[in-house]
Amino acid sequence: EPEVTQTPSHQVTQMGQEVILRCVPISNHLYFYWYRQILGQKVEFLVSFYNNEISEKSEIFDDQFSVERPDGSNFTLKIRSTKLEDSAMYFCASSEVTGARAFFGQGTRLTVV
Amino acid sequence: DQQVKQNSPSLSVQEGRISILNCDYTNSMFDYFLWYKKYPAEGPTFLISISSIKDKNEDGRFTVFLNKSAKHLSLHIVPSQPGDSAVYFCAARRGGADGLTFGKGTHLIIQP
Repeated sequence: EPEVTQTPSHQVTQMGQEVILRCVPISNHLYFYWYRQILGQKVEFLVSFYNNEISEKSEIFDDQFSVERPDGSNFTLKIRSTKLEDSAMYFCASSEVTGARAFFGQGTRLTVV
Repeated sequence: DQQVKQNSPSLSVQEGRISILNCDYTNSMFDYFLWYKKYPAEGPTFLISISSIKDKNEDGRFTVFLNKSAKHLSLHIVPSQPGDSAVYFCAARRGGADGLTFGKGTHLIIQP
């Protein structure tokens, strides 16, 4: 079965540094998402991306965050100046149609120290 | 604000019996509901979904029931198997939106 792949699996960064999380969505999917899960809490929606632009974002997705599809296969999440509270598991997902069955990657654990 | 609530953090069921996982929601704008399963160190895996115009959807051992008047849905797993031990997330989509709203999850433990 096709899958969403994320790299790296674990990223440690110093507070204030920029970090880029990478994802390769499933090739024929048109909608791409980032979610995060802070340890012990629920999975939270960050942003959705369609047709090379953000289609929806949550309150969490502030100016520190940005997303990009730099080429035909990668989808990235950039955090400009990381804070301690950005430490979480970040999941990339993709789907054929909006908001429906989304396929999730295995996640990137971001640790901000 | 907990728009999707899974009030049981954990549930223990004997192998072969029925597992029933519950989920309540508060937002009347939700029109599509999904269940995801998650193993440690993996991403959520889609299990089954239901549209708000239906009250039941079945796929093999998994059945989801939706009671719109009560704003309640449940996932039935029959019969439960050891590989079903995982965290189960209920998720909902608001009409016209992209993002899913997740519950906190229920850790299902299948005992031999």
